[in-house]
This record gives sequence, C-alpha cells and structure tokens, in this order.
Amino acid sequence: DGGITQSPKYLFRKEGQNVTLSCEQNLNHDAMYWYRQDPGQGLRLIYYSQIVNDFQKGDIAEGYSVSREKKESFPLTVTSAQKNPTAFYLCASSEQGLNTEAFFGQGTRLTVV
Amino acid sequence: DQQVKQNSPSLSVQEGRISILNCDYTNSMFDYFLWYKKYPAEGPTFLISISSIKDKNEDGRFTVFLNKSAKHLSLHIVPSQPGDSAVYFCAASAWGYQKVTFGTGTKLQVIP
Repeated sequence: DGGITQSPKYLFRKEGQNVTLSCEQNLNHDAMYWYRQDPGQGLRLIYYSQIVNDFQKGDIAEGYSVSREKKESFPLTVTSAQKNPTAFYLCASSEQGLNTEAFFGQGTRLTVV
Repeated sequence: DQQVKQNSPSLSVQEGRISILNCDYTNSMFDYFLWYKKYPAEGPTFLISISSIKDKNEDGRFTVFLNKSAKHLSLHIVPSQPGDSAVYFCAASAWGYQKVTFGTGTKLQVIP
C-alpha cells in the first residue's frame, strides 16, 4: 500500500545528543515536510522540501537539520542546539506543494531526558 | 502571530446533532483552506478543503463554509457520530507561498 512511514514511533534520548527521525514515502510525491506538534500550539512547520537536493526552512527551523538525497526520504535531525526537543514530530508529503492535500505519517514522539 | 485561529479548544455534541467547528484567519492572502482530523498519537488525515473562489463545499456529512469578508470558515458535521471524536485542525495556504499554516485545533467529543 502507498503511504508515508515514520520511524520509530517512540524515541528517547539523553539531553545533548543528536537524534535522527526517519520519514519514507512511496507515494511518488515531490514535496515533503516536517512539522512539530506541541500542546495548544497546532502544527508548526520545521522544514520542507519541494524537490530532491533542495529544502527550505519553515517557521521553527533552529536546532534542526534535514537532507533530501532521495525523493522517497526526508530525515530530520534534532540537534543538541534545539532547546525544547521533546515533542510529537509529524512528516508529510504532497503532490505539488502545499496548496494540495498533504498525507501525514503516524508521527514520532521524541522525549529528551 | 497566530494567523489561523481556532478559538474553541474543545466542543461536546450529542450523537446525531450538528457539530460546528470554527476557524478565523488574519492573512488576506490565504486562498485555500483545509480541514484535517487527528486521532491521538496518529498523524492528521485530510478531511475537506475549499478554495477562495467558493463559499461552500460538501462531502457527505461534512460541509465547509467560507466567509471571505469575515475571514472566517466553519466545518459542519451532520449528523455527528461517536467516531467523529477527534481533534480537528483548520489550515490555510496562499498561492505562491510554500507552506500551510495550521490552527491550534479543536477537540470534538461526540457523546453517544
């Protein structure tokens, strides 16, 4: 089945460590996105990519990094510079960019202790 | 600056009645609006959308109304079912912009 897969579902890391969240899609979508959800904050855009080997900062990119070496994959690294990394992270993809329906993964709950 | 606002964090409705979820926006450049439904610990799923050239869009039990002059949209669910209990996010985008702005969500509880 076509879809978008995030792994792992739950992730625990010690403070000061970098951690990479995986996002893979087999929908043949050009665009991919990373969002962060915090209680009462809605979904905030971290990074997005419209095409392979290109990506743009979203509203809250500080402390995060991404790569887009393949169309299917858009991993997100939460670096030690991110001050409040504990959150629910959502990856999404869409066909033509954000003026169309986006398909979301199941999310990764990152807890930094 | 919250450009998309959902002022009601929660809503309770009896099964079979109408649920009305509201959303306000401040950016007049927004011309495409979407509603997503989200269950706990899952990703949002697309529900319905509307372009600014329309003022109403229906899909089964779900209808979205857009009032551009008031910068307001609403999602109507009729009749409401217990399975509709979830968090609903309103989202908006503008042609030429590369990102969608989400509201803070409204948690709907449909009581059997």
